[in-house]
Amino acid sequence: DAKTTQPPSMDCAEGRAANLPCNHSTISGNEYVYWYRQIHSQGPQYIIHGLKNNETNEMASLIITEDRKSSTLILPHATLRDTAVYYCIVRVSGSGNTGKLIFGQGTTLQVKP
Amino acid sequence: KAGVTQTPRYLIKTRGQQVTLSCSPISGHRSVSWYQQTPGQGLQFLFEYFSETQRNKGNFPGRFSGRQFSNSRSEMNVSTLELGDSALYLCASSVKSGNYNEQFFGPGTRLTVL
Repeated sequence: DAKTTQPPSMDCAEGRAANLPCNHSTISGNEYVYWYRQIHSQGPQYIIHGLKNNETNEMASLIITEDRKSSTLILPHATLRDTAVYYCIVRVSGSGNTGKLIFGQGTTLQVKP
Repeated sequence: KAGVTQTPRYLIKTRGQQVTLSCSPISGHRSVSWYQQTPGQGLQFLFEYFSETQRNKGNFPGRFSGRQFSNSRSEMNVSTLELGDSALYLCASSVKSGNYNEQFFGPGTRLTVL
């Protein structure tokens, strides 16, 4: 079972920041938070990941609370092309771990003009 | 650099038949994972291969199998197809297995079982 909880859907106005929350209250100390998104009928696309520090890349920012029980993915200036299902995933770190990703139901983000 | 490619993109089969799907990872990637996506169950992990060895397997019946070749290309096979096997089958590749490696997904194969 997925170890994360996300709202099923959210709306965002084009050009505004989209803030997508994720609850992972049972996260362990060696588990990373990953975000992927899936645009309709395409394969999922990696966005960002982090352990406990906030992370930023060209696509988004990831804010992880100090207790690591929740996080927020921020798309700073949402465009219509950001309309997609966003998945928050926790993964165990360390050697010997496999590529297995456990997807939840994700959040459907609808960016509106 | 070319992305992950999957063939065929669309497939129609009838119940009881078998099907083989192919996945070519990004050049240099040695790990390939397979996922099944359905409207009811969402994205579910099938199995992962690394250096021609299955490293992990999801909770699917034995009708679902896979293999990986020495060039890292992978195939998955589903025997005795059932209506419920209709799904989008996705493969993902990464440089190597493990948590630190970003997975790149292909466009998927849409399988319809009639």
